Amino acid sequence: GAGVSQSPSNKVTEKGKDVELRCDPISGHTALYWYRQSLGQGLEFLIYFQGNSAPDKSGLPSDRFSAERTGGSVSTLTIQRTQQEDSAVYLCASSPGQSSGNTIYFGEGSWLTVV
Amino acid sequence: AQSVAQPEDQVNVAEGNPLTVKCTYSVSGNPYLFWYVQYPNRGLQFLLKYITGDNLVKGSYGFEAEFNKSQTSFHLKKPSALVSDSALYFCAVRDGLHGSGNTGKLIFGQGTTLQVKP
Repeated sequence: GAGVSQSPSNKVTEKGKDVELRCDPISGHTALYWYRQSLGQGLEFLIYFQGNSAPDKSGLPSDRFSAERTGGSVSTLTIQRTQQEDSAVYLCASSPGQSSGNTIYFGEGSWLTVV
Repeated sequence: AQSVAQPEDQVNVAEGNPLTVKCTYSVSGNPYLFWYVQYPNRGLQFLLKYITGDNLVKGSYGFEAEFNKSQTSFHLKKPSALVSDSALYFCAVRDGLHGSGNTGKLIFGQGTTLQVKP
């Protein structure tokens, strides 16, 4: 069965360039999350989408970060003018939605290196 | 505010011995608790969760966890460790979905590295 799919799996970019990271959630899952995992920083919540509701962007670290979710399915996380401190693993996750007891399933991550 | 603490950065056990990875939590309301495992260069894999009911929860790969409300703990256990269990383990509490600003996001502990030696 298909899990959460993320692409690219690895990305090396030059400082100042823009990057797009894609997430394809599990079919039928209405909730979608982005997390960032940095060395020594643990897992940091970035943004949350639930169905057609306005996203919760409270975890985005700066205005260089944005995300959208088209048609309630695929999501793209965009980082503009990348900085070296943006180097991290970006994890996408999805969940069936409205119950706190639902499990959140993670993808394999997109490993971003800014040089 | 919800929070999770994993007091040990690393746990070392010998193969075949029982293992425990500790987790304590602080929540308002009912706790929804999760354990995830991360193998090197991989994403997070769900192991088990506590929602309600029996305090002993069984999960994947022979792992189990015991919910203790009085001690606000949710320790991960396995009766007999395998070398292949060596990985990074995360405990998490799920934020409620109801109420203003609640997203149902997972709030993670800092992680515990489990090293199982042959």
